Amino acid sequence: GNSVTQMEGPVTLSEEAFLTINCTYTATGYPSLFWYVQYPGEGLQLLLKATKADDKGSNKGFEATYRKETTSFHLEKGSVQVSDSAVYFCALSEGNNAGNMLTFGGGTRLMVKP
Amino acid sequence: NAGVTQTPKFRVLKTGQSMTLLCAQDMNHEYMYWYRQDPGMGLRLIHYSVGEGTTAKGEVPDGYNVSRLKKQNFLLGLESAAPSQTSVYFCASRGSLNHREQFFGPGTRLTVL
Repeated sequence: GNSVTQMEGPVTLSEEAFLTINCTYTATGYPSLFWYVQYPGEGLQLLLKATKADDKGSNKGFEATYRKETTSFHLEKGSVQVSDSAVYFCALSEGNNAGNMLTFGGGTRLMVKP
Repeated sequence: NAGVTQTPKFRVLKTGQSMTLLCAQDMNHEYMYWYRQDPGMGLRLIHYSVGEGTTAKGEVPDGYNVSRLKKQNFLLGLESAAPSQTSVYFCASRGSLNHREQFFGPGTRLTVL
């Protein structure tokens, strides 16, 4: 079956530091890949996505590139802010299941200190 | 346009009690999902629906039932709550087959004593 593995947190950074959150996946076909963000007390929001190999998703200064050869979709940001403190979830969706369900990683908590 | 809404936001139950969580979406989406979120485990799919009148089991369906009598609503029921069902529950919806992005509600925090 499908699975998503993320680096365990929490990740603690100082403001303006460089961020990488690793994500690797296992899938039988050609999944779409997503990063969702969950701010404290809220639901999940889509941060960015990529639908095919070598696609780069980007939003709010965050980027992730769909690497089929390494089955990875690592999240990066060049300069984090305190407002980026949240839990980040990597997820995949494959088109060959009836509900196009999302498979999530366990989440990585990011804490950015001023 | 409210997106995906969930009621209630918080609930405390005693073991053996029943309750229903309501999810509503105003985006005319075909697909709806119920997840539970537990620490360190990400989100796990409980049940889902691919259209009005249809439901299907997800990864962790035991102890839950669902109904999709109207396209915009997806109900999650607990017939006899257990402490293991203490969790945060999220509803999500998605549009057509070609759009895989899911839109999430704000969550319901349920505690079973």
